[in-house]
Formats: sequence, C-alpha cells, structure tokens
Amino acid sequence: DAKTTQPPSMDCAEGRAANLPCNHSTISGNEYVYWYRQIHSQGPQYIIHGLKNNETNEMASLIITEDRKSSTLILPHATLRDTAVYYCIVITGGGADGLTFGKGTHLIIQP
Amino acid sequence: DTEVTQTPKHLVMGMTNKKSLKCEQHMGHRAMYWYKQKAKKPPELMFVYSYEKLSINESVPSRFSPECPNSSLLNLHLHALQPEDSALYLCASSQRGAGNQPQHFGDGTRLSIL
Repeated sequence: DAKTTQPPSMDCAEGRAANLPCNHSTISGNEYVYWYRQIHSQGPQYIIHGLKNNETNEMASLIITEDRKSSTLILPHATLRDTAVYYCIVITGGGADGLTFGKGTHLIIQP
Repeated sequence: DTEVTQTPKHLVMGMTNKKSLKCEQHMGHRAMYWYKQKAKKPPELMFVYSYEKLSINESVPSRFSPECPNSSLLNLHLHALQPEDSALYLCASSQRGAGNQPQHFGDGTRLSIL
C-alpha cells in the first residue's frame, strides 16, 4: 500500500471549514484513499473514502487531485467535537487486509 | 455508540494470569481484526480473520492467541503477558469480498499488565 504524508497538527476556528491535506504520491490505480479519525479514548471512526472522484457524505467532503497524488478532507463547519487525530490511509480494495495507520494529523478546533 | 462491542472496557492483570478479550458484531461482516495501540501512537494491525479463518498474523508473539468461534465473535486470549503489552486493544470488522468496504471499530479494551 502507498505511503501517506500528513502534517502533524493543525488548528481551526470553530464554525470554519477545516481542510486537512494528505500526500500519497506513490498511489497506484487500484488504491483507494480512506479517512478515519480517532477522538480521545475512542476507537477510530470511518469518515469517507474515494478512488478518483470527489466524494461527499454527511460528515465531510473528500477532494482528490486529478493525478491522485494528493487529497484534502474538508469538514465544512468544524465543531469542538471534531477535535481528533485524522488518519489518511491508502489501501487496495476496502481494508479486508488490515489498515496501516500513519501518524495522522492532530486537528484542534479552537472556540 | 459503536456497532462493534468490546468487553471488558478495562482490564488489569498480572504477568502470570490468563484472560480473554471479547469482540462482537452483528452487522454480518465476515472480516474481523485485532489492532494494538500504545499511548500516543497509531494503531498497529495484529491479526485478520476472514470467514472465520486466520488470514494475517503480523508476527505477533504467541502469548497472544486469537480465536474466531463464529462469524459474529472474535476473542483474544492472553497468557504470560509482559508490562510492555499494556495498551489499548481495538477490534474492527468489515464486509468481505466486494471492493471498497470500510472497517468499523469498537472503542477498545484498555489493558494494564502489572
């Protein structure tokens, strides 16, 4: 699976959009980009995933560049409860082979 | 609330004890996973079960023994653990087979070895 690079930490004001970048320059054609987050003392939570097209669900939007070498997770209106570590993971198929977590981005939402 | 239930939430045991961690899901998922997470580190994969058969063992020491008695249950049997095994143990499940299937995690069992 391709390696990902994320900034170690980011701040965002409450109510603003949080944009979390992820670099995955060695991604191959059959690999998906997945985003999970882990709020303190909880298990990781699935947020969204995509292959080539941009995706949106009730939690977030995922923007994947045309060359697929990077992506951005967008939380449109961040709240204090969005403070968490966000993991960008690239994997073939859908995770039935296990996930390899990087260090992630610690997103802190400021009141 | 998560759809993957792990028990107990906390466990303290001595190095000579034998205990088991339990994980249950009723989503019809046929792949189940154990991860270990040390403090301030990301989760690390330990085992993968697919259709109740062990498919991946990430070179985990034999003092950790996984078991999948049926498609809804996953156990992790612990014996003669070391203090460095203190960690959060996470269970996850996912659909098996078709394309892109996200994993659903429980909130883990926090294990402390005395």
